[in-house]
Amino acid sequence: AQKITQTQPGMFVQEKEAVTLDCTYDTSDPSYGLFWYKQPSSGEMIFLIYQGSYDQQNATEGRYSLNFQKARKSANLVISASQLGDSAMYFCAMRELNTNAGKSTFGDGTTLTVKP
Amino acid sequence: KAGVTQTPRYLIKTRGQQVTLSCSPISGHRSVSWYQQTPGQGLQFLFEYFSETQRNKGNFPGRFSGRQFSNSRSEMNVSTLELGDSALYLCASSLGVDHTEAFFGQGTRLTVV
Repeated sequence: AQKITQTQPGMFVQEKEAVTLDCTYDTSDPSYGLFWYKQPSSGEMIFLIYQGSYDQQNATEGRYSLNFQKARKSANLVISASQLGDSAMYFCAMRELNTNAGKSTFGDGTTLTVKP
Repeated sequence: KAGVTQTPRYLIKTRGQQVTLSCSPISGHRSVSWYQQTPGQGLQFLFEYFSETQRNKGNFPGRFSGRQFSNSRSEMNVSTLELGDSALYLCASSLGVDHTEAFFGQGTRLTVV
């Protein structure tokens, strides 16, 4: 069964510094996708970045990068140059592409607080 | 390009009533999935529709149902509401090919009193 683990309930980072949010996953499907979403207090889930299990390079989207270590089953999100507007809940999610069409499994989330 | 639209944004219902929530996906997207978010259980998958067919279903009782129309718009229905159904209900749309990202709406916050 697919499972996502985010071990950091809360994280603090100083403005302009980099921060890494941890995510480990478990799946027996060799074909899967990993996603990170940001959820501000307004409630909307904002897509940040995607990594496919067969992608050779780590995904990057602006200040976001995904540190994908397949053998360790980890998909950590790195946010560079943190901004006050980055304060939000961050969710790691996975979708198994062969066995669970259309279903994403989410971790419990990490609340990031950026300090001025 | 318009995003995912969920209506209504807020809803207050009484125990025992039923409720229908609506989701309009991004134009061209054929997959719509629904999630329930509560402080205690986190984000839980309800069901997913692709081209009017339910492809996958989460572990929710039969009181939770959904459907998708030919224009890809989707509705979910909860009958005989319970206090525990109070949650943020999120809808996500995607092209339907699973290696692409899903885009979420702002959600419907349902309160059952």
